[in-house]
Amino acid sequence: ETGVTQSPTHLIKTRGQQVTLRCSSQSGHNTVSWYQQALGQGPQFIFQYYREEENGRGNFPPRFSGLQFPNYSSELNVNALELDDSALYLCASSSPTNEKLFFGSGTQLSVL
Amino acid sequence: SQQGEEDPQALSIQEGENATMNCSYKTSINNLQWYRQNSGRGLVHLILIRSNEREKHSGRLRVTLDTSKKSSSLLITASRAADTASYFCAITQGGSEKLVFGKGTKLTVNP
Repeated sequence: ETGVTQSPTHLIKTRGQQVTLRCSSQSGHNTVSWYQQALGQGPQFIFQYYREEENGRGNFPPRFSGLQFPNYSSELNVNALELDDSALYLCASSSPTNEKLFFGSGTQLSVL
Repeated sequence: SQQGEEDPQALSIQEGENATMNCSYKTSINNLQWYRQNSGRGLVHLILIRSNEREKHSGRLRVTLDTSKKSSSLLITASRAADTASYFCAITQGGSEKLVFGKGTKLTVNP
């Protein structure tokens, strides 16, 4: 176990709805990254937060947004859900002195 | 887009055999990491090799890096059924903190 927890584990939404996914980072980690993993693919970087500020963003539209809180937990928000947003969403935490990521178990989002 | 490409896409071996997975990438890198994923859940970090290193070992894992060929290999020796998982390589580039993952190799170790 990595100490990174994500909620919920599974979620079913319909097109056009909004969703919020949550992540608690490992103790001592102030950096959180979010990844989207479609079936049969590798994870794709969405964005990263460091000390409550966005610190890098991948090729995702603005309807993907995030927050990091003072306790370094994080949220991923997706507006106007599309069918292609169906995927496993992974949160990973890290510390500035260590390049390896510690992943949570993910949230499986299905958009119908 | 995904920079790393693992080869083969799928690999099936018997317990006790060695498993070798390869990763190729297209740009210069800071480091290359290997991760393991069981049943589509969270990824677990296995090993990190920096661009100025050529080989690293960790238990039954051996990773090599050839920056001139832009490729890396992961060798798992004396495989076990519990090694059944998908294995991903991921690179970091330039000043970016993001990891760029390949599509992975699905390893099946038959008892």
